[in-house]
Amino acid sequence: DAGVTQSPTHLIKTRGQQVTLRCSPKSGHDTVSWYQQALGQGPQFIFQYYEEEERQRGNFPDRFSGHQFPNYSSELNVNALLLGDSALYLCASRERGGNSYNEQFFGPGTRLTVL
Amino acid sequence: DAKTTQPNSMESNEEEPVHLPCNHSTISGTDYIHWYRQLPSQGPEYVIHGLTSNVNNRMASLAIAEDRKSSTLILHRATLRDAAVYYCILLTGNTPLVFGKGTRLSVIA
Repeated sequence: DAGVTQSPTHLIKTRGQQVTLRCSPKSGHDTVSWYQQALGQGPQFIFQYYEEEERQRGNFPDRFSGHQFPNYSSELNVNALLLGDSALYLCASRERGGNSYNEQFFGPGTRLTVL
Repeated sequence: DAKTTQPNSMESNEEEPVHLPCNHSTISGTDYIHWYRQLPSQGPEYVIHGLTSNVNNRMASLAIAEDRKSSTLILHRATLRDAAVYYCILLTGNTPLVFGKGTRLSVIA
């Protein structure tokens, strides 16, 4: 089992550009969440996808959008990049029918640098 | 916002037990107590969780106070590979994980 995989590993963009990050969940998992982790901080919840729909959203602007595909993989899109968007972006997946006592599995993250 | 309070950092000697405290005085009856850790240059990983009773697994033990307002993650024999940031998180229903700053554990050889 490959676990949660994310691509690319690193990415450098300039202000105003758009970026797409990708995530494949752990086998058997259908719920995918995205988190942003700034340097020295804990991860912050962006949104969660289940059954190809956004189910929950954290305090992030509309520039952050996502998508989930029928195979449960997911994309995170960020438009009009700002310097403050530089961070580690983490994807996490959870088992089918997950609830508060199902552990989430995190990928290694994508390091985004905005210049 | 995170509903837990943890020390910013702790230090332990290798092969010694480590007790990582967490205060959660506003915990509700439906909140589970979860612990995750994040090793350097990796995503967080699940460690353990509990509701009311103490819990043990291959990685650690979780001791929960009788009033549930605090808990302690116990690493029985710290190794250098246990050096990480440890997060204590309250979770209920389908709410997302809310991470605070956690406790940075340093292990000295």
